Amino acid sequence: GDSVTQTEGLVTLTKGLPVMLNCTYQTTYSPFLFWYVQHLNEAPKLLLKSSTDNKRTEHQGFYATLHKSSSSFHLQKSSVQLSDSALYFCAPSSGGSNAKLTFGKGTKLSVKS
Amino acid sequence: ETAVFQTPNYHVTQVGNEVSFNCKQTLGHDTMYWYKQDSKKLLKIMFSYNNKQLIVNETVPRRFSPQSSDKAHLNLRIKSVEPEDSAVYLCASSPGLGVSYEQYFGPGTRLTVL
Repeated sequence: GDSVTQTEGLVTLTKGLPVMLNCTYQTTYSPFLFWYVQHLNEAPKLLLKSSTDNKRTEHQGFYATLHKSSSSFHLQKSSVQLSDSALYFCAPSSGGSNAKLTFGKGTKLSVKS
Repeated sequence: ETAVFQTPNYHVTQVGNEVSFNCKQTLGHDTMYWYKQDSKKLLKIMFSYNNKQLIVNETVPRRFSPQSSDKAHLNLRIKSVEPEDSAVYLCASSPGLGVSYEQYFGPGTRLTVL
């Protein structure tokens, strides 16, 4: 089955600094890759997605580039804000018409002032 | 703006009791899902339905049974709860089954089994 590995545990940063959250995946079929963000006591929601090799995708200041050669889809932001403190999930989706998301274990980002 | 609704928000019950959770989406989507998010925040898919038909049934205990009356509703019943069932149960929907579709999540139902 599909699998995904993310930066483990907690990442703590001071606001204004850059961040990169790692995501590598293994899928049987060519996947779509998603990043979901979950703020405290809220539902996960889509941050960005991509299926195009070597093309940067951006949303709300976050960006990621899918690299199929290395099976990676790292999430980056050049300057984190306090409001970015949340749990971030990387999730590949593959399997054709019966596709399902396979969520990683999540990376908790804590931004301090 | 919430478009996937779940009830109840919280439920506390004793081991062995039966519980039911409800989910409704107003997005006109064809596909709905149940996920379990445990205390370590791991998100695991349990079931998915497409137009009231069960599509994915992951390895979950038989005491869990989903039910769909129409494509906008997906309920979850747990026949005889166990302590390890304590978790947040998240309902989600998507336009269809394809790989590119975003999933929209509800706020979740937090179950505590005493």
